[in-house]
Amino acid sequence: KNEVEQSPQNLTAQEGEFITINCSYSVGISALHWLQQHPGGGIVSLFMLSSGKKKHGRLIATINIQEKHSSLHITASHPRDSAVYICARQGGSEKLVFGKGTKLTVNP
Amino acid sequence: DAGVIQSPRHEVTEMGQEVTLRCKPISGHDYLFWYRQTMMRGLELLIYFNNNVPIDDSGMPEDRFSAKMPNASFSTLKIQPSEPRDSAVYFCASSLLSAPQETQYFGPGTRLLVL
Repeated sequence: KNEVEQSPQNLTAQEGEFITINCSYSVGISALHWLQQHPGGGIVSLFMLSSGKKKHGRLIATINIQEKHSSLHITASHPRDSAVYICARQGGSEKLVFGKGTKLTVNP
Repeated sequence: DAGVIQSPRHEVTEMGQEVTLRCKPISGHDYLFWYRQTMMRGLELLIYFNNNVPIDDSGMPEDRFSAKMPNASFSTLKIQPSEPRDSAVYFCASSLLSAPQETQYFGPGTRLLVL
C-alpha cells in the first residue's frame, strides 16, 4: 500500500473550471510537496508546505495536518495547466515518498 | 544557473551491459538525489547524498546499482549488469541546505531502455 494516496487518478476539465486534486498520507510529516510533471517529462516543484495554505498565481495548496490531507487547487484552469500533479510527503529526513500522480487534462 | 544537468538524455542498451548515468547539481547545492520513475511504481527515491556523502541508499534496488559522488559538482549512477526491468526514467535532483525549508530542483531525466 502506498503511503501517499492521490485522487483522482485522471481528471479532465474545460478551460476556466476550478480544479481540485487531493492527497492523503498515513504517517506524520515534516512537509508536504506538490510537483508538476509536464508532458515532456520535466518535473517542477510547485509548493512545499507544513501548515496552512500557500498561493502562487492561480495555484493554491492547502494542508490539514490533523486529517493528514492536502489539496491542490487551480483557479481559472487553462490548457497549459495540463500535466501530471504529484504530491510527496517528507518525514524527518530529506527522503520524499511520492503519490502515483494525478493526470490533468484541460480542454480549450 | 543552468539548473541540474543530466547525461545522457536517452540511453538504449542491451541486457548485461553496464550503464552509467551522470548528474551535475546546481552549484552550491549540498543535497543530491537520484530517483527512478516507472509507470508501475511512479517516482521512487534510490539514494541521496549530503555534502558528497551517501545518507540513505535504502531505495537502491539491488547490488547491481551503485552511486558515487566524488565531488560537489558530479555524481554517477551505475547499473551493472543492466536488465530489461531497469528500463525507466532516472531523475537527479539537488537542493540547498536541509529540509523541510528547501525545495528540490529536478534535472530533465535520463530515459533508459534495456533490451
